[in-house]
Amino acid sequence: GAVVSQHPSWVICKSGTSVKIECRSLDFQATTMFWYRQFPKQSLMLMATSNEGSKATYEQGVEKDKFLINHASLTLSTLTVTSAHPEDSSFYICSAPSGNGYTFGSGTRLTVV
Amino acid sequence: GENVEQHPSTLSVQEGDSAVIKCTYSDSASNYFPWYKQELGKRPQLIIDIRSNVGEKKDQRIAVTLNKTAKHFSLHITETQPEDSAVYFCAASINNQGGKLIFGQGTELSVKP
Repeated sequence: GAVVSQHPSWVICKSGTSVKIECRSLDFQATTMFWYRQFPKQSLMLMATSNEGSKATYEQGVEKDKFLINHASLTLSTLTVTSAHPEDSSFYICSAPSGNGYTFGSGTRLTVV
Repeated sequence: GENVEQHPSTLSVQEGDSAVIKCTYSDSASNYFPWYKQELGKRPQLIIDIRSNVGEKKDQRIAVTLNKTAKHFSLHITETQPEDSAVYFCAASINNQGGKLIFGQGTELSVKP
């Protein structure tokens, strides 16, 4: 079945630095990728939608200059958290429409210290 | 945009009893309603889904019902087992357009032996 590979699975970074998270569709073409953030004991909150070859669409309240999304090919979408702060510490997960449903990446645990 | 409300937030049942989790959605254009089980730090796992042309779907101990008129859908788990203990999320999307998947708030199910 469809697989989305997400890396890294966990990352610790210093406050003020940037972190890039990658999601690759391994056996299908993902023209669209959804990026979610999940805080402990909360739901998956949609941050933005990336579409191959066009600008990402951000949900209300999400800073597009802080969360940079690039979808340069049909198999790769990236999320860069710029100037990370401790409040950005969270579980980030991507998802792409595939077949009759959605395929999720394995998630990235980001800790900003 | 779409808004999904999920209740209850926590549910405790005795082993062997049934568990019911309910969701409502706001966008009448939504036509795909999946249910996910998520373990801590893991990606959501699809357990069952239903599309708007069907009123009920069953898979062994798990069933989902959909009332399009009322914009309600529910997850029913019968003969619960301790291994059913997890966090469950409902979601809704306009899937035939690869639409964004919006999640409910989640239900923490605890099945006591």
